[in-house]
Amino acid sequence: SQKIEQNSEALNIQEGKTATLTCNYTNYSPAYLQWYRQDPGRGPVFLLLIRENEKEKRKERLKVTFDTTLKQSLFHITASQPADSATYLCALGGNDYKLSFGAGTTVTVRA
Amino acid sequence: DAGITQSPRHKVTETGTPVTLRCHQTENHRYMYWYRQDPGHGLRLIHYSYGVKDTDKGEVSDGYSVSRSKTEDFLLTLESATSSQTSVYFCAITPASEGHEQFFGPGTRLTVL
Repeated sequence: SQKIEQNSEALNIQEGKTATLTCNYTNYSPAYLQWYRQDPGRGPVFLLLIRENEKEKRKERLKVTFDTTLKQSLFHITASQPADSATYLCALGGNDYKLSFGAGTTVTVRA
Repeated sequence: DAGITQSPRHKVTETGTPVTLRCHQTENHRYMYWYRQDPGHGLRLIHYSYGVKDTDKGEVSDGYSVSRSKTEDFLLTLESATSSQTSVYFCAITPASEGHEQFFGPGTRLTVL
């Protein structure tokens, strides 16, 4: 069965440093991978999408890589700020308009 | 803001009672989804809809049914609520653009005693 693992439940980093989150998957060949941000008590918010034929995507201080051979995506938050503190979810999808989500990694950025 | 509202936002109910959660969208999108979110499990798809009266099961559909009689409303019913259905329920839509990104409602916190 499909399995999506986000490498750690929690990540604590110092302001200004780069946070790196990992999303690994098995038994799946996604057409694309997405990252979402979720704040406590709120619904997830879409951040970035990367397709299977793309290696890297950037948006402001965010960078996503996608390695379909390793079946892994890395999500980087550069120059992190306390406002980046949240839970980050990866999600894999195909052409059926359905997503499968990982359990998330909670990032805490210390001032 | 994708114009998604959920009602009620919080509900406490007794085991064995039926419960209906409502998701309402204002953007006329074709695809709508119901997820539940539990600690350690992330978001799990319960049911989804790809049009009026067109629905299909997700990975955790047992004990749940859905209905969509209008484009803007997607209802989730717990036929006989159990304590294992205590969770936070999220509705989502996708504009079905090339990216397939989903937009989520604010969630409903359901407690089954």
